[in-house]
Amino acid sequence: DVKVTQSSRYLVKRTGEKVFLECVQDMDHENMFWYRQDPGLGLRLIYFSYDVKMKEKGDIPEGYSVSREKKERFSLILESASTNQTSMYLCASSLTGERGKSPLHFGNGTRLTVT
Amino acid sequence: AQTVTQSQPEMSVQEAETVTLSCTYDTSESDYYLFWYKQPPSRQMILVIRQEAYKQQNATENRFSVNFQKAAKSFSLKISDSQLGDAAMYFCAYRSAYRGGMRFGAGTRLTVKP
Repeated sequence: DVKVTQSSRYLVKRTGEKVFLECVQDMDHENMFWYRQDPGLGLRLIYFSYDVKMKEKGDIPEGYSVSREKKERFSLILESASTNQTSMYLCASSLTGERGKSPLHFGNGTRLTVT
Repeated sequence: AQTVTQSQPEMSVQEAETVTLSCTYDTSESDYYLFWYKQPPSRQMILVIRQEAYKQQNATENRFSVNFQKAAKSFSLKISDSQLGDAAMYFCAYRSAYRGGMRFGAGTRLTVKP
């Protein structure tokens, strides 16, 4: 089974802090994704990466950046956390093959609160 | 950009009965995949079923089946013989065959009454 691990289940940070959310997958997947989940809005794509050192903006990249130095690890960075970034963050990975057919495998999420 | 719409924020069903969750999507692409994911209180996203747009046959996985209407851009999920363990948030999702991440709807919270 694919395992996607997010480093923290709950996180509380102060406004203005730099925040790192870490995600590791163990199945050699090329693609990795970061989503945020908010009630009534579903999951919204922040950033994704097709390979090491590659990244693409999703639908809501403002206020976020990412880093992918190794294939198995994809980090989401909040340069200066704000209260409107309080949310659930979900990391996912998938294979590249089969042109979109591959499902996403998700981590358990990090509930981030910015005070 | 592709959008996915789930118009039912909440649904409920009696145990052992059948329920249908609705989903519509908007795209100009011809080749794509559609998914239903389930998210129980544990927060773990679980793949329920997948449909390939070029296949006319509706996908089925045990008690779960879809009604895929490509021209209408509709992709509903039918759960038969509902069980208490089916209670969860259900998300409809779209993924292009060409590029990009998966796009999700707002979700439908399903309650199963004993």
